[in-house]
Amino acid sequence: NAGVTQTPKFHILKIGQSMTLQCTQDMNHNYMYWYRQDPGMGLKLIYYSVGAGITDKGEVPNGYNVSRSTTEDFPLRLELAAPSQTSVYFCASSYQGLSSGNTIYFGEGSWLTVV
Amino acid sequence: KQEVTQIPAALSVPEGENLVLNCSFTDSAIYNLQWFRQDPGKGLTSLLLIQSSQREQTSGRLNASLDKSSGRSTLYIAASQPGDSATYLCAVWAGNMLTFGGGTRLMVKP
Repeated sequence: NAGVTQTPKFHILKIGQSMTLQCTQDMNHNYMYWYRQDPGMGLKLIYYSVGAGITDKGEVPNGYNVSRSTTEDFPLRLELAAPSQTSVYFCASSYQGLSSGNTIYFGEGSWLTVV
Repeated sequence: KQEVTQIPAALSVPEGENLVLNCSFTDSAIYNLQWFRQDPGKGLTSLLLIQSSQREQTSGRLNASLDKSSGRSTLYIAASQPGDSATYLCAVWAGNMLTFGGGTRLMVKP
């Protein structure tokens, strides 16, 4: 039971560099999400997708980009990394939207440090 | 803008004690409210989901209530155990966004 898989688990990035956080799910879920969690804080939505080819901004999208070419994969790209992007990133998925009461499943997180 | 607040931020109790975690939200126009558990270095696990038309949900030793009109939810944990030690987060689904509180870090001492 893989569920939602994120890679890498840990990464150190230099200011100005770019990188992609990978996320894949094997539950055939339509909806996928990217959140960030800063220390002692709740999760904030970065981007979400309701299906392949469709993405939309969340609460804190600046400095990030996403794509959804397949149902399974939802990579998050950081362009020109800044120290403010040091955080834990969580990918999640659900079969339908959360307003319909579907359970959301989270990956185990990617710890990113920008130095 | 929806804001979710959890009180207390941290809680330490002896094993066996019953406890209540609180969650409040500013906009009552929500679809549902969920409680999650987060273990250190791990992702979130959904514990209970309460639809906006419901008043409470129960799962084992956990009971969550929802009062939409007052913008409040509580998570009741009965007979706490050391294995319950974790961070508990509540989140509300409104519009097209799931908004999280900052969490309550619970420590249950043997």
